[in-house]
Amino acid sequence: DAGITQSPRHKVTETGTPVTLRCHQTENHRYMYWYRQDPGHGLRLIHYSYGVKDTDKGEVSDGYSVSRSKTEDFLLTLESATSSQTSVYFCAISGNPGQGETQYFGPGTRLLVL
Amino acid sequence: QKEVEQNSGPLSVPEGAIASLNCTYSDRGSQSFFWYRQYSGKSPELIMFIYSNGDKEDGRFTAQLNKASQYVSLLIRDSQPSDSATYLCAVRGNRDDKIIFGKGTRLHILP
Repeated sequence: DAGITQSPRHKVTETGTPVTLRCHQTENHRYMYWYRQDPGHGLRLIHYSYGVKDTDKGEVSDGYSVSRSKTEDFLLTLESATSSQTSVYFCAISGNPGQGETQYFGPGTRLLVL
Repeated sequence: QKEVEQNSGPLSVPEGAIASLNCTYSDRGSQSFFWYRQYSGKSPELIMFIYSNGDKEDGRFTAQLNKASQYVSLLIRDSQPSDSATYLCAVRGNRDDKIIFGKGTRLHILP
């Protein structure tokens, strides 16, 4: 398995509180991604990073921010959590884009916003 | 908008039969194609990738790609109950740093 961990694995929080999810990799991969997965919507990209301090938005970035101060860590922050952000969040990593280069996923974080 | 389409299922297949999963994509510039398997409550895991037209076999799995028809499929031979999962099709353009995922097809192998 690719060396990817996510923390916390489960979290319950209240509407309006800030939440930070952490993704940590030991593969020294350049690219890191945050997805959310919801029934009927599949995997949707929130933000991704292509290097330290280099990030870009995905298709569902509103309400989320990210930071990457080290190659191995990619943080996802919900500034003020809402019930619509209840979801399963996956981190993924990959090397430089190329033929056959794919993404490997972390174990996921289940977030419930009450 | 680049899209990847899959039938959501569930697709029910008897044990020992061939399961056929299909996927179409909208971007003709797509270069790499992936199949992931996701068990309930788990993260997606890569099972196959293909980038040339034709078939690619790995054990009981065969990926088929037809770029002219913008179609990719996954065949699972001798289906086992352990193959019951959601299968995600994913597509990447040439040198794109993002992969586009389909919503997945739920496969149920009947014992």
